[in-house]
Amino acid sequence: QQQVKQSPQSLIVQKGGISIINCAYENTAFDYFPWYQQFPGKGPALLIAIRPDVSEKKEGRFTISFNKSAKQFSLHIMDSQPGDSATYFCAASSDTDKLIFGTGTRLQVFP
Amino acid sequence: NAGVTQTPKFQVLKTGQSMTLQCAQDMNHNSMYWYRQDPGMGLRLIYYSASEGTTDKGEVPNGYNVSRLNKREFSLRLESAAPSQTSVYFCASSSQGAVTEAFFGQGTRLTVV
Repeated sequence: QQQVKQSPQSLIVQKGGISIINCAYENTAFDYFPWYQQFPGKGPALLIAIRPDVSEKKEGRFTISFNKSAKQFSLHIMDSQPGDSATYFCAASSDTDKLIFGTGTRLQVFP
Repeated sequence: NAGVTQTPKFQVLKTGQSMTLQCAQDMNHNSMYWYRQDPGMGLRLIYYSASEGTTDKGEVPNGYNVSRLNKREFSLRLESAAPSQTSVYFCASSSQGAVTEAFFGQGTRLTVV
């Protein structure tokens, strides 16, 4: 079964707009929630990560919002740029468990 | 600064052939992983090694074997390749388990005909 559910599968955003990708998890033992960014032909690379002791983490134009009671977290990309066009994966893990990825979201930002 | 190096980058196999995918990291990381990436399925964990000398099954281990040769190297073997194993394979490493940043290689694109 899918332990980390990600939506949408694809997203088209105008330059300057806000991109929002959502994830939901089932295992309440998860306590580490990273987002990875992947460009075509490359391996994924860590973008930003959050622990459940905070509800939000911001790094530049990228923000993770975390809702522990709903078991949901989301990635917001402000002022989206064509260079942000990539596939984004959410993931979840714990000290005693492996890193489980969502199914990915292909983001396209048009000028 | 090589990071995680995978070989080969591309491979075509016939059904029933065997091969080994090689992975090496130069970051002195304890943990290493093998994932496969398929359209619409995301990244699925095949096997992982939390530390040198240990290996464990992930979500999709059937048809694969692994060897943690030393701290640097973690290989993935397909004993009898099947078309269902056509995929892009990624090796990754992290300093200490699943709650630290994972660094990925460039991937191996494998086609089984």
